[in-house]
Amino acid sequence: DGGITQSPKYLFRKEGQNVTLSCEQNLNHDAMYWYRQDPGQGLRLIYYSQIVNDFQKGDIAEGYSVSREKKESFPLTVTSAQKNPTAFYLCASSGLQGVRVFVTEAFFGQGTRLTVV
Amino acid sequence: DAKTTQPPSMDCAEGRAANLPCNHSTISGNEYVYWYRQIHSQGPQYIIHGLKNNETNEMASLIITEDRKSSTLILPHATLRDTAVYYCIVRGGIQGAQKLVFGQGTRLTINP
Repeated sequence: DGGITQSPKYLFRKEGQNVTLSCEQNLNHDAMYWYRQDPGQGLRLIYYSQIVNDFQKGDIAEGYSVSREKKESFPLTVTSAQKNPTAFYLCASSGLQGVRVFVTEAFFGQGTRLTVV
Repeated sequence: DAKTTQPPSMDCAEGRAANLPCNHSTISGNEYVYWYRQIHSQGPQYIIHGLKNNETNEMASLIITEDRKSSTLILPHATLRDTAVYYCIVRGGIQGAQKLVFGQGTRLTINP
């Protein structure tokens, strides 16, 4: 089945350790996104990528890093510089269609809940 | 991308139509209106989108005002499973305008 997969669903790390969250899609989408969600809050954009080997900072990029070496993969590293990393992390992708290159709707993974102790 | 404004919460009785408003007064000509919903602890789910005409699918209807400065998502016969946070987003329809920004959304509670 086509879709977007995040792993693991739950992740525990000790303070001061870097941790990498996986996001894979087999939808052949060009654009991929990472969001952070805190309890009772909306989604905040961390990083996004429109094409392989290119990515842009979102609204809260400090303490995070990404790579986009393959079209289907967009891993997010939460570094030790992120002061409050415990959160729910969501990955999304969207594609382009048609001669006029309109954006399609975004598809989301089921999220990774990161807890740093 | 244009900003959107939504009420923080709404209630609706089961079986009734739920009408969720969204203001997007700074929307530009090539920006679409998208609606998503997020059920607790899951990834957001796409509902519907439109440019200027009203749209309907199996989940909902989208009514966009003629000046495109606001829209309403309509769930025609709300069920308890429609309890979720609903996000209204405006987004460029042309490659290069790919930033996808969510606001706080509307927390819709369907009451039995």
